[in-house]
Amino acid sequence: AQKVTQAQTEISVVEKEDVTLDCVYETRDTTYYLFWYKQPPSGELVFLIRRNSFDEQNEISGRYSWNFQKSTSSFNFTITASQVVDSAVYFCALSEAGSARQLTFGSGTQLTVLP
Amino acid sequence: GAGVSQSPSNKVTEKGKDVELRCDPISGHTALYWYRQSLGQGLEFLIYFQGNSAPDKSGLPSDRFSAERTGGSVSTLTIQRTQQEDSAVYLCASSFEVTGHTGELFFGEGSRLTVL
Repeated sequence: AQKVTQAQTEISVVEKEDVTLDCVYETRDTTYYLFWYKQPPSGELVFLIRRNSFDEQNEISGRYSWNFQKSTSSFNFTITASQVVDSAVYFCALSEAGSARQLTFGSGTQLTVLP
Repeated sequence: GAGVSQSPSNKVTEKGKDVELRCDPISGHTALYWYRQSLGQGLEFLIYFQGNSAPDKSGLPSDRFSAERTGGSVSTLTIQRTQQEDSAVYLCASSFEVTGHTGELFFGEGSRLTVL
């Protein structure tokens, strides 16, 4: 069975600080996909990134970066120089290739960036 | 519209009543999902539609829950004889899915259901 754990329920930082959101996953499949979604106060989840299990190369997109480590089953998300607009709930999710139709979500991390 | 549209955005109902939640996916998207988000919780998968295939209903919590997708487009999630534990935000998502590969899901803003 697949499982995603986001141990950090809430994080508060001051603007311009860097912050890392942790995600640990469990799966028996060798082929799977990992995702991060952002849910701002409006409620609509916004897709941030998708990685497949064969691509461990870290990715950077502007102030966002992702660290995928299969050895520790982790897919952590770092926001550099955080801004107030980054305040949201962030969800990590996993999809196994055999059941690609289902995304299993973590419980989310509420990030608050204070001015 | 360009995005996934859900209605109603808010629904308050009395215990025991039936409710219908509607989802209008992005045009051309073949896959449609329903998820439930309870307060402070992650997203719980409910049901998945892909093209003309039989839906994956494995996430529906009870037989009071059902969903249909007409014409491969609009979907309706129906909850019969609502209970207080059904109170949650019901999220719909759609994607242009290639077989065996989970594409990017586009979510609607959700329908917040409150059962009194």
